[in-house]
Amino acid sequence: GNSVTQMEGPVTLSEEAFLTINCTYTATGYPSLFWYVQYPGEGLQLLLKATKADDKGSNKGFEATYRKETTSFHLEKGSVQVSDSAVYFCALSEARLTFGEGTQLTVNP
Amino acid sequence: DAMVIQNPRYQVTQFGKPVTLSCSQTLNHNVMYWYQQKSSQAPKLLFHYYDKDFNNEADTPDNFQSRRPNTSFCFLDIRSPGLGDAAMYLCATSSPGTGFETQYFGPGTRLLVL
Repeated sequence: GNSVTQMEGPVTLSEEAFLTINCTYTATGYPSLFWYVQYPGEGLQLLLKATKADDKGSNKGFEATYRKETTSFHLEKGSVQVSDSAVYFCALSEARLTFGEGTQLTVNP
Repeated sequence: DAMVIQNPRYQVTQFGKPVTLSCSQTLNHNVMYWYQQKSSQAPKLLFHYYDKDFNNEADTPDNFQSRRPNTSFCFLDIRSPGLGDAAMYLCATSSPGTGFETQYFGPGTRLLVL
């Protein structure tokens, strides 16, 4: 079956630090890949997506590249802000959404 | 702006007292989903509607039911809430136009069971 494995949290960074949250997946076919962000007390917001190998999704300074050879979709941001503090979910879609367990990010001033 | 709306944002109910959560969408999407999310966990799919066709997940308790009277609205009914049903409930939508795989979520309703 399909599965998504995310880097364990929580992750704590200082403002302007570089962020990487690792995500690897297992799928039977060729899924689309997503990063969703959940701010405290809120629903999930689509952050970025990629639908095929070597696609790069990007939004709000965040980027992730669909790597079929390593079955990965790592999330990166060059300079995080306090407002980026949230839980980040990696997910794949192949008929249904399969989520990773989420990674809590805290950015300190 | 087109969006997914959930009301109320916070709902308090008593143990065993039926409760209904609401979701509406202005996106005109064919598919509407209900997820349960417990603290610090990934969302868990309960069921979804494709137009009027209802699709229940195998492990969704019978205590959870859903109704979709029209394209725009979908309801989650919990017939006899237990303490373990306290959670965030998320509604989401998708459509062929978004490739089906992209789901758009509402802000969620946090349910507290006393």
